[in-house]
Amino acid sequence: EPEVTQTPSHQVTQMGQEVILRCVPISNHLYFYWYRQILGQKVEFLVSFYNNEISEKSEIFDDQFSVERPDGSNFTLKIRSTKLEDSAMYFCASSRDSSYNEQFFGPGTRLTVL
Amino acid sequence: QKEVEQNSGPLSVPEGAIASLNCTYSDRGSQSFFWYRQYSGKSPELIMFIYSNGDKEDGRFTAQLNKASQYVSLLIRDSQPSDSATYLCAVNRGDSSYKLIFGSGTRLLVRP
Repeated sequence: EPEVTQTPSHQVTQMGQEVILRCVPISNHLYFYWYRQILGQKVEFLVSFYNNEISEKSEIFDDQFSVERPDGSNFTLKIRSTKLEDSAMYFCASSRDSSYNEQFFGPGTRLTVL
Repeated sequence: QKEVEQNSGPLSVPEGAIASLNCTYSDRGSQSFFWYRQYSGKSPELIMFIYSNGDKEDGRFTAQLNKASQYVSLLIRDSQPSDSATYLCAVNRGDSSYKLIFGSGTRLLVRP
């Protein structure tokens, strides 16, 4: 059964460093998303991406964040200058279309900012 | 007012019982509703979705939607210890918005 994959599973970085989180969505899906979950808190939407552009973003997704689909399979989230409060689980998700919008999540990347 | 509200639990039920999980949402224009299961330290796993008022059954799971009252529920029949997890309710408004708005989740504990 196709699934969303994410790498790395755990990323440790120093405050102020740039990190890139990688995702491979399900192959026939067209919509891609990033969510994050701070430990003990709810899952929060960051950004949605369709047809090679951002379709929606949350207030969390400020200028420090960017997304890219550099090739036909990968979908990346870049945090330019990490802060302590960026420490969280980052989940990539994908959906086939917008009409029903069933989103399937990857296993996540745990980001720890020291 | 929180956009999606769930009782945090834990909801404790004996093995074989029916577990009933509830969720209310504030945006009356919401169009699609999802239940995810999340084991500790893992990612959300989609188990049910519902778009129309009424009941939708899938195996041991039944989702119920009442748009007039703005609530959605999940029933788990014949609960098993392996069902012990946090159940997340998520809502999508539609209207060109694809984001899911999640509740904080209800922790379910199924006692053997």
